Amino acid sequence: EPEVTQTPSHQVTQMGQEVILRCVPISNHLYFYWYRQILGQKVEFLVSFYNNEISEKSEIFDDQFSVERPDGSNFTLKIRSTKLEDSAMYFCASHRGGETQYFGPGTRLLVL
Amino acid sequence: TQLLEQSPQFLSIQEGENLTVYCNSSSVFSSLQWYRQEPGEGPVLLVTVVTGGEVKKLKRLTFQFGDARKDSSLHITAAQPGDTGLYLCAGPQGTDKLIFGTGTRLQVFP
Repeated sequence: EPEVTQTPSHQVTQMGQEVILRCVPISNHLYFYWYRQILGQKVEFLVSFYNNEISEKSEIFDDQFSVERPDGSNFTLKIRSTKLEDSAMYFCASHRGGETQYFGPGTRLLVL
Repeated sequence: TQLLEQSPQFLSIQEGENLTVYCNSSSVFSSLQWYRQEPGEGPVLLVTVVTGGEVKKLKRLTFQFGDARKDSSLHITAAQPGDTGLYLCAGPQGTDKLIFGTGTRLQVFP
């Protein structure tokens, strides 16, 4: 069964450094998302992406964040200058037009 | 802003017991999804309910969508230790992003 994959599974970085989180959505899906979950808190929406552009973003998704679909398979989330409060699990999700989103296993980001 | 409240927040039961988890909102949702999340992993989809009053069964799990599409429940019959995890309800808000409930952490002891 096809699934969403994410790399790396864990990332430790210093405050102020740039990180790129990578996702490979399910191949015939058209809608892509990033969510994050701070330890012990709810899963929160960050950004949605369709037809090579951002369709919606949350207040969390400020100028330090960007997303890209550089080729036909990868979907990336970049944080330009990480802050301590960016430490969280980051989940990629995708769907092909229905209402059900399929989530990847997540990248655990720790900012020191 | 639509909110999804889940109850109970925590549940510890013995193997073989039955349980029900609730997901409530003051807003109408076009659908609700239930996910289970293991520590350090992503949410795994269990079911999507779409029609008001709909009941879906997945082995020992029974999901119901309220008639008014504002609430949903998950009932587990004869819980097993393998059912242990965080159960999340989620629904679409706006165009298509998901908002998640507060979660119910279930622990089933052998």
